[in-house]
Amino acid sequence: DIQMTQSPSSLSASVGDRVTITCQASQDISNYLNWYQQKPGKAPKVLIYDASNLETGVPSRFSGSGSGTDFTFTISSLQPEDVATYYCQQYYNLPFTFGGGTKVEIK
Amino acid sequence: EVQLLESGGGLAQPGGSLRLSCVASEFTFTNYAMSWVRQAPGKGLEWVSGISGSGGTTYYADSVKGRLFISRDKSKNTLYLQMNSLRTEDTAVYYCAKDRRWLLLSGAFDIWGQGTTVTVSS
Repeated sequence: DIQMTQSPSSLSASVGDRVTITCQASQDISNYLNWYQQKPGKAPKVLIYDASNLETGVPSRFSGSGSGTDFTFTISSLQPEDVATYYCQQYYNLPFTFGGGTKVEIK
Repeated sequence: EVQLLESGGGLAQPGGSLRLSCVASEFTFTNYAMSWVRQAPGKGLEWVSGISGSGGTTYYADSVKGRLFISRDKSKNTLYLQMNSLRTEDTAVYYCAKDRRWLLLSGAFDIWGQGTTVTVSS
């Protein structure tokens, strides 16, 4: 199975800050990567697909980059409504696997 | 608006059974592969099972192989997960998820349901 290592596991930042989350795959996954936002009690919502494509309707402050084994998710200017847990997910191979999540809070 | 609505969760005893359903709307159901993904309380996400658009090919995580069975009914636009020989570690919120790409299971999920909760306890 492909292991997805996400870091940090949690972070606290101020409104307006730039926030970066990384995800490392245990083997080359090309660009077969989703980024999700999950708010408490809600289903995950896709923000980024194919590593860098912004899902329709998602604010442009969210972005993704990377290919191969190393990926980055960025919130360019953190907003109060961005408080959530963020997950990466690879779909290069079965079983599809997720990172452990990054909990983002407002300082 | 594309929607997925799960149901069928509840309390089951270890060794028992449950059947989850996921009703799809506002898209051509047979064109897209579907999956079930679960989330244990306070934990991360785990892909459980997937099925092709035609229903002819199914896939399972090792942790559920031989106990959980995925199927779909095109006449009802409904995805199912038959859960047998339930274990306490199957306790989780179960989400159905639609594949972004046509027919074959790609894992590039784009739409998720709201989830249904399964609790396995004596």
